[in-house]
Amino acid sequence: AQSVTQLGSHVSVSEGALVLLRCNYSSSVPPYLFWYVQYPNQGLQLLLKYTTGATLVKGINGFEAEFKKSETSFHLTKPSAHMSDAAEYFCAVSPNQAGTALIFGKGTTLSVSS
Amino acid sequence: KAGVTQTPRYLIKTRGQQVTLSCSPISGHRSVSWYQQTPGQGLQFLFEYFSETQRNKGNFPGRFSGRQFSNSRSEMNVSTLELGDSALYLCASSRGGEDGGNIQYFGAGTRLSVL
Repeated sequence: AQSVTQLGSHVSVSEGALVLLRCNYSSSVPPYLFWYVQYPNQGLQLLLKYTTGATLVKGINGFEAEFKKSETSFHLTKPSAHMSDAAEYFCAVSPNQAGTALIFGKGTTLSVSS
Repeated sequence: KAGVTQTPRYLIKTRGQQVTLSCSPISGHRSVSWYQQTPGQGLQFLFEYFSETQRNKGNFPGRFSGRQFSNSRSEMNVSTLELGDSALYLCASSRGGEDGGNIQYFGAGTRLSVL
């Protein structure tokens, strides 16, 4: 069965610092991987997705993630944190070709201090 | 283009009652999925409907059911509510074709409280 592990339930950074949120997945087939962000009292918003092709994926708001098959990782990074990045971030994998039935990690809450 | 709309936004029910939640997908989307979000269990997949048929199902008891109408709108029903059913229920829609990695767009959710 596929699964997703997010290392660190809470990450704190200073404004302008590098953001690194870790995600490891287990999958017996090439996965479809996603990062979503959730702001308080809102639904999920897609940051980026990996399907096939280029392993470095660029998303919205300056975020990017690198798919590393050998490490079964899909870590999310942003070079310079902004106060507005404070939110909860979820890594997810889809077990099917349609990219649905997402299996989510437990989430990482990102705090940004000035 | 209108996003995914979930109604109602908030619900309060008592144990033993049943509840129906509604989801209107983005125009042209044929897939609707439902997820449950709780502090303890996180985000869990309930089921997916595509062209009025249940295509995928998560590991939830039979008290949780759903359906999809010909206009792709979907409803989720929970019967015999338990305290543990208190959660944020999220609906997501996508085009649904099996061409790899469709993007799921999420609604704002319905927050259900069971007393």
